[in-house]
Amino acid sequence: QKEVEQNSGPLSVPEGAIASLNCTYSDRGSQSFFWYRQYSGKSPELIMFIYSNGDKEDGRFTAQLNKASQYVSLLIRDSQPSDSATYLCAVIKSNTGKLIFGQGTTLQVKP
Amino acid sequence: DTEVTQTPKHLVMGMTNKKSLKCEQHMGHRAMYWYKQKAKKPPELMFVYSYEKLSINESVPSRFSPECPNSSLLNLHLHALQPEDSALYLCASSPHWGGELFFGEGSRLTVL
Repeated sequence: QKEVEQNSGPLSVPEGAIASLNCTYSDRGSQSFFWYRQYSGKSPELIMFIYSNGDKEDGRFTAQLNKASQYVSLLIRDSQPSDSATYLCAVIKSNTGKLIFGQGTTLQVKP
Repeated sequence: DTEVTQTPKHLVMGMTNKKSLKCEQHMGHRAMYWYKQKAKKPPELMFVYSYEKLSINESVPSRFSPECPNSSLLNLHLHALQPEDSALYLCASSPHWGGELFFGEGSRLTVL
């Protein structure tokens, strides 16, 4: 079992729709969770972090965390073609403090 | 201003060359990182410095040698690299070990 799992996609949504990106993790003790966006050929950019169960909203982005189910998601409302990128879920391992990345989900927003 | 600056942005080197990648941050962060990323793969951790001390070395070959001269600077010295070392090398910093990471733009390395 991978430590952080994401569906590699591509996830294709029409412009203006809600994109839902999902991630599961294996370390029940993890407390810190991050979403990074990476455009092709560029470096990862931090877009959201969440530490507590529930929802955290920032503009068009909402991160959702369910520690009991070991599940974290990212919702992008009113998706735009500029949102087309790879989204990396990352989790800090409780015993080492290392940031572990999932494989990333490629999102395509079609005009 | 959340900025991590990496130089050079592109580097081509032969297998016998010695070169260095440089990283600088002025956010007062106390942890700095080197990651390696191959195409269509997630970043892989190489080294972590926390309070200017090497905290983690992920069994990286000795042809990669990190250095942290002070709390704002991080170098990665490269020597006798192999073509398979060609990748995007990412520097990152965080307020503290275990905090959120902010990445630089990366140095794209090609080893001939």
